[in-house]
Amino acid sequence: NAGVTQTPKFRVLKTGQSMTLLCAQDMNHEYMYWYRQDPGMGLRLIHYSVGEGTTAKGEVPDGYNVSRLKKQNFLLGLESAAPSQTSVYFCASSPSASGNTEAFFGQGTRLTVV
Amino acid sequence: GESVGLHLPTLSVQEGDNSIINCAYSNSASDYFIWYKQESGKGPQFIIDIRSNMDKRQGQRVTVLLNKTVKHLSLQIAATQPGDSAVYFCAENLNEKLTFGTGTRLTIIP
Repeated sequence: NAGVTQTPKFRVLKTGQSMTLLCAQDMNHEYMYWYRQDPGMGLRLIHYSVGEGTTAKGEVPDGYNVSRLKKQNFLLGLESAAPSQTSVYFCASSPSASGNTEAFFGQGTRLTVV
Repeated sequence: GESVGLHLPTLSVQEGDNSIINCAYSNSASDYFIWYKQESGKGPQFIIDIRSNMDKRQGQRVTVLLNKTVKHLSLQIAATQPGDSAVYFCAENLNEKLTFGTGTRLTIIP
């Protein structure tokens, strides 16, 4: 069972470069989420999607964009990377609103912006 | 120098003893709570959940207690094992989105 798969697992970017993080889930879940995790701060929600073609802002959306063109994929884009975006990024999915059921997480993408 | 929030609360427990990890949540309207375990280099993994109409729920070796009066959640792990070493997060449902606490690092002493 693949579950939630994130690509890539590691990346180093220079300030100002752009990149896209890919999240794929094979559980037919409606809801998908992107979080960032910084030392001592837990996970903070960047953007989320309640279904194919829909996206919404989370707690810390600035500097990021997302797209959900297919139900199984949720893309996180950084248009112009900044050192403050150095973090570990986690994607998650859930069959319904995460307020009602557990969310399943990927293994994370460690991003360093220099 | 140190900054607030860079250091996780830590709990060190002797192998075989019981562990109790505490969490204070923020919103009295939250109606669903989850405990996640995160091992080094991995994503969070579901442990147990509880809804606000309950005050206790048990799983295999784990128990979650919910005290809505003081907005407090605890995770009890019985007979702690080396494999329980991890960071533990509580999360609350707020406006249909999970909000995570900062986590507690559990270390097992052999």
